[in-house]
Amino acid sequence: GAGVSQTPSNKVTEKGKYVELRCDPISGHTALYWYRQSLGQGPEFLIYFQGTGAADDSGLPNDRFFAVRPEGSVSTLKIQRTERGDSAMYLCASSLGGRGYTFGSGTRLTVV
Amino acid sequence: AQSVTQPDIHITVSEGASLELRCNYSYGATPYLFWYVQSPGQGLQLLLKYFSGDTLVQGIKGFEAEFKRSQSSFNLRKPSVHWSDAAEYFCAVGAQGTDKLIFGTGTRLQVFP
Repeated sequence: GAGVSQTPSNKVTEKGKYVELRCDPISGHTALYWYRQSLGQGPEFLIYFQGTGAADDSGLPNDRFFAVRPEGSVSTLKIQRTERGDSAMYLCASSLGGRGYTFGSGTRLTVV
Repeated sequence: AQSVTQPDIHITVSEGASLELRCNYSYGATPYLFWYVQSPGQGLQLLLKYFSGDTLVQGIKGFEAEFKRSQSSFNLRKPSVHWSDAAEYFCAVGAQGTDKLIFGTGTRLQVFP
């Protein structure tokens, strides 16, 4: 596609529920990144995929967070047993290999 | 460890005035440096980037930034601000050999007519 697409744009869920956030990168981009941005903060790195594999998942805060990219294109960020502290904007980006990537518009997750 | 500091949380300028947003980084080698802009509720748009070479980098929307190794700075400038420039601006640093970016906390720019 023309840009990085993230769905849904907004998600409200109850504490303890499971959520999935989807990212559709720019066609042909091999690298895909997930960041989390809390209110009033800059984005914080979560995980980076090169192709289908997670090249760096050092930013995932705990084992409730998991991400997949099974065919090397679309990626899904999965959060189990959501907590109110998980409320944030989740940003996805893609690139042909570093050096400045293209961000999507994000998914705003609210846990109530 | 890499880090980025944006000392100014909020800046207000008049339309037509010049602008400089400050960014200081901490990194042992030559970093990759970026400036992004974010409108409310939106994702981030890349304004410009520095990897090597000429230390004065031109970007989109009339922005430029200058890499000063001696000061560990990468300040963003614009000679004449437009009302549409009102947004949040983020500086980021990336290490060679990794695609992970470290972002500053951002500077919110407000433009008065």
